[in-house]
Amino acid sequence: KNEVEQSPQNLTAQEGEFITINCSYSVGISALHWLQQHPGGGIVSLFMLSSGKKKHGRLIATINIQEKHSSLHITASHPRDSAVYICAVAGGSQGNLIFGKGTKLSVKP
Amino acid sequence: NAGVTQTPKFRILKIGQSMTLQCAQDMNHNYMYWYRQDPGMGLKLIYYSVGAGITDKGEVPNGYNVSRSTTEDFPLRLELAAPSQTSVYFCASSSTTGGGYSNQPQHFGDGTRLSIL
Repeated sequence: KNEVEQSPQNLTAQEGEFITINCSYSVGISALHWLQQHPGGGIVSLFMLSSGKKKHGRLIATINIQEKHSSLHITASHPRDSAVYICAVAGGSQGNLIFGKGTKLSVKP
Repeated sequence: NAGVTQTPKFRILKIGQSMTLQCAQDMNHNYMYWYRQDPGMGLKLIYYSVGAGITDKGEVPNGYNVSRSTTEDFPLRLELAAPSQTSVYFCASSSTTGGGYSNQPQHFGDGTRLSIL
């Protein structure tokens, strides 16, 4: 079993829809990261959180430490949100990040 | 600011050849990392460095070497290229404030797409 599981693997939405991407993990962590990988390949850090909720524009990230679960929400989705969203947890044996396989989001106009 | 710069962006190597992937950052970050991303898999840590002169192995270090002579540069060397090293390689960096190097946002380069034929 992977230490970091994301769902769904693929997601297609219509512009304007509310989107939720889930991340579950099985190890103890000190922080959880959400990253965005653009179609061209570049990776950008969106959020880092260890408790509660963070919001940046139309993106909201939440984490429940007790349930070992995090969600990334996108409100009023737009085609420019099309990307792969990656969850990573700071829980490796060397203090390193453990990455999920990513969720590929496609938002249709 | 350039952030994290990786060169080259693309490269094709023959089996057994050697090459160095370059990585430079201008944010004065102490922590730097090399990852590889294989299709359908999460990023895997190859090597990391917590400062100039200090490097350590990650999850998948075999077949690679690194050095960190300056804060800015963190090159990754492949000595004898093998088809299993075909991948996309990402360099990243992060600051040191707050405990633990995985507790800071990481800044990624644009990646190097490497094919070994």
